[in-house]
This record gives sequence, structure tokens and C-alpha cells, in this order.
Amino acid sequence: AQTVTQSQPEMSVQEAETVTLSCTYDTSENNYYLFWYKQPPSRQMILVIRQEAYKQQNATENRFSVNFQKAAKSFSLKISDSQLGDTAMYFCAFTGLANSKLTFGKGITLSVRP
Amino acid sequence: DAGVTQSPTHLIKTRGQQVTLRCSPISGHKSVSWYQQVLGQGPQFIFQYYEKEERGRGNFPDRFSARQFPNYSSELNVNALLLGDSALYLCASSYSPPGSWHQPQHFGDGTRLSIL
Repeated sequence: AQTVTQSQPEMSVQEAETVTLSCTYDTSENNYYLFWYKQPPSRQMILVIRQEAYKQQNATENRFSVNFQKAAKSFSLKISDSQLGDTAMYFCAFTGLANSKLTFGKGITLSVRP
Repeated sequence: DAGVTQSPTHLIKTRGQQVTLRCSPISGHKSVSWYQQVLGQGPQFIFQYYEKEERGRGNFPDRFSARQFPNYSSELNVNALLLGDSALYLCASSYSPPGSWHQPQHFGDGTRLSIL
């Protein structure tokens, strides 16, 4: 069974600064996908970034980038130039190839201060 | 194109009642998944359907059931509601079949179910 652990319940960052959100996971599979989802108070789950396990290069999407360490089973999200609109809950998620089931972590509440 | 749509947005029921939640996937998406998100937690997988067949089931009691229709929309049914069923129920659709490499899931806004 796969597990996803987000040990930080909440973080706060000053606007325009950089923040890193941590995530670790456990799986016996060799090929899989990892995701970061954002859930603002409007509650829609929005895909921020995804990483294929077979790719060594870390994924980037504008101000968002990941640090994927496959051997350590670590998948952190870095948000650069934080904006007020980044305030939300962030969930780390995993899916294997047997099905499209997403396994989520407990989430982290990120607050961006003006 | 419209995103994933769910109805109703809010629902209040009492213990022992039954509820049906509905989901319309993005046009062209054949895979629909349901998740339960209890307040302050991450979503938990309930069901996945692809081409009207169940392709995955999470660790939920038999009170939970679902189906997918020929137009790929889906319903989630919960019988004999308990207080613990109070949660946000999210539907997600995907273009790719289960097990495919390209499987980003797109979520709806969810149905907030409150049990009194």
C-alpha cells in the first residue's frame, strides 16, 4: 500500500519570498506519478505540478518547482515569489500505474502574508 | 469547455437517510473517480469507473455505491447515513483509462454533505 506523509500542518511566508513544502511517500512500485494539488477556500482541487518517477529532471511550472529525490522518496514543492493568491491548502499525492487512484497526504495550510 | 460539474453543491440530511450525488465529467473524459474529504484531511479514494465499469474501490463500507452512465456521468449513492459521512465529496474525471501514463485528473467543486 502506498502512503503519503506531509508532516508540516501549516506554514506562513511573506509575499514575494520563497517557501518549500515537504512531502515523503512510500511505495514498492518503480514507476508512478507524484502531484501537488492546491485547494483554496473555494474548495476546487487544482493541479499545480506533476512529476513522472522515470524522469530524473525536476518538473517546473512558472513559479512552482519540485525537488524529486526518488531514492529518498521525497517530493518537495518550492514556490518562488509567493503571491497572496497562493494562500491555500496544498496536498501532495501519489498514483501508481495499476489504476488512477490518487493517494493524498493530509495537506498543509499555506498562508502568504502581505 | 465546461469543467467537471457536481450537483448539488450543498446537502443536509439526517442519520439513516439515503443520498445521491451527481457528477458530469469534462467532455471526452471517460474515467470518473469519487473521493471523500473530511474537514482538515486529504481526500480519500472511494470509487473509480471507466467505460461504465468499476475499476477501483477504496476502503469504504457497502453503504457506498456508484455507477456510471452511457454518457459517462456518474452517481454516488450512500445509504443509511451516519454522522461520520459528513464531508466534501469530490468527483474527478480523466481522459485516460486506468493504468495509463497520462492520467491528470480534473476535479469538480464538490458536494458538501452535512449529516444532522
